[in-house]
Amino acid sequence: EVQLVESGGGLVQPGRSLRLSCTASGFSFGDYGMSWFRQAPGKGLEWVAFIRIKAFGGTKEYAASVKGRFTISRDDSKNIAYLQMNSLTTEDTAVYYCSREMATIEEDAFDIWGQGTLVTVSS
Amino acid sequence: SYELTQPPSVSVSSGQTASITCSGDKLGDKYAYWYQQRPGQSPVLVIYQDTKRPSGIPERFSGSNSGNTATLTISGTQAMDEADFYCQAWDSSTVVFGGGTKLTVL
Repeated sequence: EVQLVESGGGLVQPGRSLRLSCTASGFSFGDYGMSWFRQAPGKGLEWVAFIRIKAFGGTKEYAASVKGRFTISRDDSKNIAYLQMNSLTTEDTAVYYCSREMATIEEDAFDIWGQGTLVTVSS
Repeated sequence: SYELTQPPSVSVSSGQTASITCSGDKLGDKYAYWYQQRPGQSPVLVIYQDTKRPSGIPERFSGSNSGNTATLTISGTQAMDEADFYCQAWDSSTVVFGGGTKLTVL
């Protein structure tokens, strides 16, 4: 079964850091771009970051709201994508989802989503 | 930055056709994608590359994209279709979402 499972969420104080993990199974992880999204309580979906496959340089893209604070990475040997979040603020409180890019074309849809992990930034 | 605009809500009677629009500058020159999100659940891709349905998505879901507007159409809407729907596109290597549309089935 193709599956993504996020972990690492929790309660964190403003200004602190947190690292999220996204563990993939059921597909060839290294062949797919991976992305992180988030959804604040009662709000819409927001894209956070994207990382391409190694064959495309493993390059990374970030939303303006997190650039310079968040870092996306991947370990293809472990089938895991990470999101390192630094200098967290209350505005970062959200459910964080990881997702797989379909990769039938460049800049494709996101067809597999994890169940999400809640990050709460509060003192 | 690029923006996608959706109506906040759309209502449709059970069995009728629902249309949800997504507007953006020259959106027709890009691919539009649509996701369904039921309460408390993760998003599900329902339309990709403007008109294609992923495996397992019912035929009553269809999409179009031309000019400045992409449209998600749900024919013979069922109660189970009640959800939030988000359009998405890529612009300058970034992912952009519309604000979402809450579909209510009466």
